[in-house]
Amino acid sequence: AQSVTQLDSHVSVSEGTPVLLRCNYSSSYSPSLFWYVQHPNKGLQLLLKYTSAATLVKGINGFEAEFKKSETSFHLTKPSAHMSDAAEYFCVVSDRENNFNKFYFGSGTKLNVKP
Amino acid sequence: GAVVSQHPSWVICKSGTSVKIECRSLDFQATTMFWYRQFPKQSLMLMATSNEGSKATYEQGVEKDKFLINHASLTLSTLTVTSAHPEDSSFYICSAREGSEEKLFFGSGTQLSVL
Repeated sequence: AQSVTQLDSHVSVSEGTPVLLRCNYSSSYSPSLFWYVQHPNKGLQLLLKYTSAATLVKGINGFEAEFKKSETSFHLTKPSAHMSDAAEYFCVVSDRENNFNKFYFGSGTKLNVKP
Repeated sequence: GAVVSQHPSWVICKSGTSVKIECRSLDFQATTMFWYRQFPKQSLMLMATSNEGSKATYEQGVEKDKFLINHASLTLSTLTVTSAHPEDSSFYICSAREGSEEKLFFGSGTQLSVL
């Protein structure tokens, strides 16, 4: 069975400081992992994905995430937060158990960026 | 990038009426479409998966007769909430993927309010 745990429901940072959004997963098979961002009243946008290639994945808008199998983690980071990063972020897992046909979402982390 | 158009973006209806939500892939052929439901401050919950030309696969606990899904073409899937009740009020989001691609493209969502 697959599941995703986002440890923090809310994260607040000051503009220009680093961002860390935590995600842990469980999967019986080698997973594919994604981070999506949802701005208010908008659809979800893919930030980055990991699909068994390089463990450090770079995404859009300066975000990156590192796949750590030993820790079953896929934390999202950004060196310097921008006001426009304020949004809700979802960590997502899928694997070949369901032929990558099912995507399991974490509960989301709302990022607040203070000026 | 690929675009998924979902409409209406919001709809208010009376209890007992039916509401249809459309999801279109504008520049690619969506072999698989997914329908999610999102309650306030919660994550996305997969309702059903539909493949073009075949019956949708519903997740456990989702009523097939209440949430009718049609995926008649490679660019269009519809979700009809039949005999809507206030407890059906929610944010519904569709997503689509092309072929065996693992990446999902999301619509902007539909806020349904049932009075």
